Amino acid sequence: AQSVSQHNHHVILSEAASLELGCNYSYGGTVNLFWYVQYPGQHLQLLLKYFSGDPLVKGIKGFEAEFIKSKFSFNLRKPSVQWSDTAEYFCAVSLFGNEKLTFGTGTRLTIIP
Amino acid sequence: GAVVSQHPSRVICKSGTSVKIECRSLDFQATTMFWYRQFPKQSLMLMATSNEGSKATYEQGVEKDKFLINHASLTLSTLTVTSAHPEDSSFYICSATPGTNEKLFFGSGTQLSVL
Repeated sequence: AQSVSQHNHHVILSEAASLELGCNYSYGGTVNLFWYVQYPGQHLQLLLKYFSGDPLVKGIKGFEAEFIKSKFSFNLRKPSVQWSDTAEYFCAVSLFGNEKLTFGTGTRLTIIP
Repeated sequence: GAVVSQHPSRVICKSGTSVKIECRSLDFQATTMFWYRQFPKQSLMLMATSNEGSKATYEQGVEKDKFLINHASLTLSTLTVTSAHPEDSSFYICSATPGTNEKLFFGSGTQLSVL
């Protein structure tokens, strides 16, 4: 069964620091990849997604992620974080042609002003 | 870690029948549960927010009479797709949280196929 790993459970950064959150998946076939964010007290929002094409995907709020097939990774990055980026971040994977999503356990990001 | 159990994982039904999906928090009390639907080649769509003991809050465009949500206890929420039709075929996933600013935990999802 496919699985998604987010090894960073809690990341604490100062404002303006650069961010990279790891996401690795276990399936070797063609995948669709997502990053979702949950701001405090809110439901999930889509940050970005990858279905095909350019492996460097740009999302909302300055976030980007790079799909590296050889490493089974889809790490999320942001060059300069803001206090408002404090949230829980979830990586999710589905198999190409299948809507079933598997989520990682999430990474809590805390930005210190 | 906290576990959310969603059942069944897959269901195939005939058009016109109703299907119930259960979402249970196994080791915490979930004050809030969310129900999502995954459309092909799109992101998750929030269908409704369910708070224990009160009526669910449905997102715009989601038919509350078709997608019945019951959150009768702090560990169980159910989604019933009434009179299912082929266009209801989709992947449904629930998530649960112990509190407003607490971590979110996901069920494993239910793949619904309506023939």
